[in-house]
Amino acid sequence: GDSVTQMEGPVTLSEEAFLTINCTYTATGYPSLFWYVQYPGEGLQLLLKATKADDKGSNKGFEATYRKETTSFHLEKGSVQVSDSAVYFCALSGTYNNNDMRFGAGTRLTVKP
Amino acid sequence: NAGVTQTPKFQVLKTGQSMTLQCAQDMNHNSMYWYRQDPGMGLRLIYYSASEGTTDKGEVPNGYNVSRLNKREFSLRLESAAPSQTSVYFCASSDGMNYGYTFGSGTRLTVV
Repeated sequence: GDSVTQMEGPVTLSEEAFLTINCTYTATGYPSLFWYVQYPGEGLQLLLKATKADDKGSNKGFEATYRKETTSFHLEKGSVQVSDSAVYFCALSGTYNNNDMRFGAGTRLTVKP
Repeated sequence: NAGVTQTPKFQVLKTGQSMTLQCAQDMNHNSMYWYRQDPGMGLRLIYYSASEGTTDKGEVPNGYNVSRLNKREFSLRLESAAPSQTSVYFCASSDGMNYGYTFGSGTRLTVV
């Protein structure tokens, strides 16, 4: 079935470090891809998305490019801040096999001052 | 503010008690969803409603029922709570597969 695999955490970085969180997917058809962020005690918030191959989603300094050839959608940020500490979820939707969104297990990021 | 509102935010139940989790959205979205989030297991779909008047089972529907009361409201009912239903429950809504979900802030349920 359709699924998303993202790198296991936790990830701990110093402030201003470069961030990469890997995400790969398995899907039939041409899914849309998403990154969500969850801050402590809150619900998930949509961070960015891409709906077709080679699209780049971006928001708040975060970027991810939809790579069909490698079935990947890695999240990157050039300089993380303490306020970026959260759990990040990769997700896909819009395939032939399901009517809902499939989420990865989440990656916890902690940024230290 | 526009969004998804869930009530209650916290609840403690005794085994065997029943309760209904409420969810309402004011974005005129067609689709609504109920997920549970457990440590190390990510989000798992319980039930969803693709449009007003329809509901379908997700990955983990046992022990739950849902009602799509109207376009705005989608409730989740636990008829006889069990400790295995201790979790954080999230409601979400969407206007199509390419647009992403809008989530509520969650209900933290403990069954003792």
